[in-house]
Amino acid sequence: DTTVKQNPRYKLARVGKPVNLICSQTMNHDTMYWYQKKPNQAPKLLLFYYDKILNREADTFEKFQSSRPNNSFCSLYIGSAGLEYSAMYLCASSPGQANTGQLYFGEGSKLTVL
Amino acid sequence: GDSVTQKEGLVTLTEGLPVMLNCTYQTIYSNAFLFWYVHYLNESPRLLLKSSTDNKRTEHQGFHATLHKSSSSFHLQKSSAQLSDSALYYCALSDRPNTGYQNFYFGKGTSLTVIP
Repeated sequence: DTTVKQNPRYKLARVGKPVNLICSQTMNHDTMYWYQKKPNQAPKLLLFYYDKILNREADTFEKFQSSRPNNSFCSLYIGSAGLEYSAMYLCASSPGQANTGQLYFGEGSKLTVL
Repeated sequence: GDSVTQKEGLVTLTEGLPVMLNCTYQTIYSNAFLFWYVHYLNESPRLLLKSSTDNKRTEHQGFHATLHKSSSSFHLQKSSAQLSDSALYYCALSDRPNTGYQNFYFGKGTSLTVIP
């Protein structure tokens, strides 16, 4: 099974409210990524876990949190949603073989902030 | 830093005509991998092609691409477009060998629409 699952697929949130997006994979991949995708823009890497180590991009460091309680599960947490957070959020995993592995994506979680 | 450029945002083609989607990249790593991902509506993006070998053609599902390191290009081609090829296509680059994990850099994507 090479699927990555994301929940929820669609999320409506009010400005200022928290949002929690969930991702799971059963491929025993050691790296899990979260990307933000807005129309006409490249998918933007927000953060990734390599095993238990969280790496966050400098420009989104304070906006997004994440946890990975086990190898299969990774969450993306927004403490206080703003209108600019409206986007598709793509979770992906990779077996982590240097430079040879591909990304396996989930179907995405579409977040709309009102 | 590393980057990927896809010049065309939208491409509309008539069925049966050849497809060529452009991808150029910048990286300091000589052994970076280049990828094409395809994203059909309401599905997960999935890998279409990948390569790290200079001047070697790689093919899958009727599509092909050749990595040219001299021009930093990895254009996606198909000889004859089909209606089912309509999708969003991303070119991506991965680098940072020997660290155990990879960074992936994506282009903005090219939305291909094939019409009858």
